[in-house]
Amino acid sequence: QTVVTQEPSFSVSPGGTVTLTCGLSSGSVSTSYHPSWYQQTPGQAPRTLIYSTNTRSSGVPDRFSGSILGNKAALTITGAQADDESDYYCVLYMGSGISVFGGGTKLTVL
Amino acid sequence: QLQLQESGPGLVKPSETLSLTCTVSGGSISISSYYWGWIRQSPGKGLEWIGSIYYSGSTYYNPSLKSRVTISVDTSKNQFSLKLSSVTAADTAVYYCTRRYCTNGVCYFFDYWGQGTLVTVSS
Repeated sequence: QTVVTQEPSFSVSPGGTVTLTCGLSSGSVSTSYHPSWYQQTPGQAPRTLIYSTNTRSSGVPDRFSGSILGNKAALTITGAQADDESDYYCVLYMGSGISVFGGGTKLTVL
Repeated sequence: QLQLQESGPGLVKPSETLSLTCTVSGGSISISSYYWGWIRQSPGKGLEWIGSIYYSGSTYYNPSLKSRVTISVDTSKNQFSLKLSSVTAADTAVYYCTRRYCTNGVCYFFDYWGQGTLVTVSS
């Protein structure tokens, strides 16, 4: 069974830049997996940030960007703000209608 | 503005069937290229995709849950539903209903989410 991997936690200073990654337990992530990214704050439903690797969802600030870095999908936050402190989840499309979530990264801004 | 709202019992006994309904407002469920489905999140844990359905009735399910899951759609009521059978404490979670963009055999992303409803499995 393919596992989608994410860093369990990450920290960034206010105003700093952080890159979260999304990989596979076996193999490389490419655009063919159509990676998407979601932000979730405690007690709230997730919010769509990025889809199709690097397309920002409506209303998402341009300090959020997506890409493929090496063999992983990546979410970069440039100029981190206090309210970026959240859990971030990636999703990869595995084919046959199946999507798999990563385990999530808890981002701390301090 | 499209809105999704989950409804159903918040407490289910072990071995019984969990049943939830999602009501879609502000738009039609019978829209091309969008699947409607369910995602869950166990307390303090990550998100897990359960499955999705097209307005025509075509479904996709998570292989790990497929034997216990049924998702159905009622276009006349603009609703879709989840049934999860033989539940255990491990099925305790917040259940979100979602809209998912899929086209030409590829599913790209989840763009609308309900607020979520907590279902506890306990006797």
